[in-house]
Amino acid sequence: TAGITQAPTSQILAAGRSMTLRCTQDMRHNAMYWYRQDLGLGLRLIHYSNTAGTTGKGEVPDGYSVSRANTDDFPLTLASAVPSQTSVYFCASSDQTSGSMDTQYFGPGTRLTVL
Amino acid sequence: AQSVTQPDIHITVSEGASLELRCNYSYGATPYLFWYVQSPGQGLQLLLKYFSGDTLVQGIKGFEAEFKRSQSSFNLRKPSVHWSDAAEYFCAPFAGSGGGADGLTFGKGTHLIIQP
Repeated sequence: TAGITQAPTSQILAAGRSMTLRCTQDMRHNAMYWYRQDLGLGLRLIHYSNTAGTTGKGEVPDGYSVSRANTDDFPLTLASAVPSQTSVYFCASSDQTSGSMDTQYFGPGTRLTVL
Repeated sequence: AQSVTQPDIHITVSEGASLELRCNYSYGATPYLFWYVQSPGQGLQLLLKYFSGDTLVQGIKGFEAEFKRSQSSFNLRKPSVHWSDAAEYFCAPFAGSGGGADGLTFGKGTHLIIQP
């Protein structure tokens, strides 16, 4: 199975422009997440979704929005990009139906540079 | 406040030598505990996890970790490292409420370098 796919692999974006990072999973997991990874800071949670139709804010949500129209897709949108959003973005999913935290599966990441 | 610490930013080990990566957490209750590995240019892969029960957990690639409640630690070990183990390692506790899907809290990572 493909697991989690992310697109694009990398992108250079002018400051002030908008962009949507795509994430799709084929594992029918109910929960999905977006993290950003920055050198020396590890991974920080941006937004998450427990199930289709619901979303929540993570540690660093400002400047980002998400939607969860269905189980498989969880796009991340930057409405007006700024250079501090230069980062590597990882999408992840997990099966939360048991009511406990289970393994998160990660996509390959999107490397975004905002100039 | 809840926190996780990986005290070692970089560790250099000779191939064939043993390895221990440290992880300490500060939570009100015992969290679920995970170790993930990230190879260069790749996403994260689960090495092992601890939920309850036996405090010595076996994972993939010959790794193991021991949960020590008294020390609030969950250190990762491997008896003999291979050059392919060179990667970034992340400890990640989770202490959300039942059914909570508010993500993991990741340590800042330990970069493992393998010397030939």
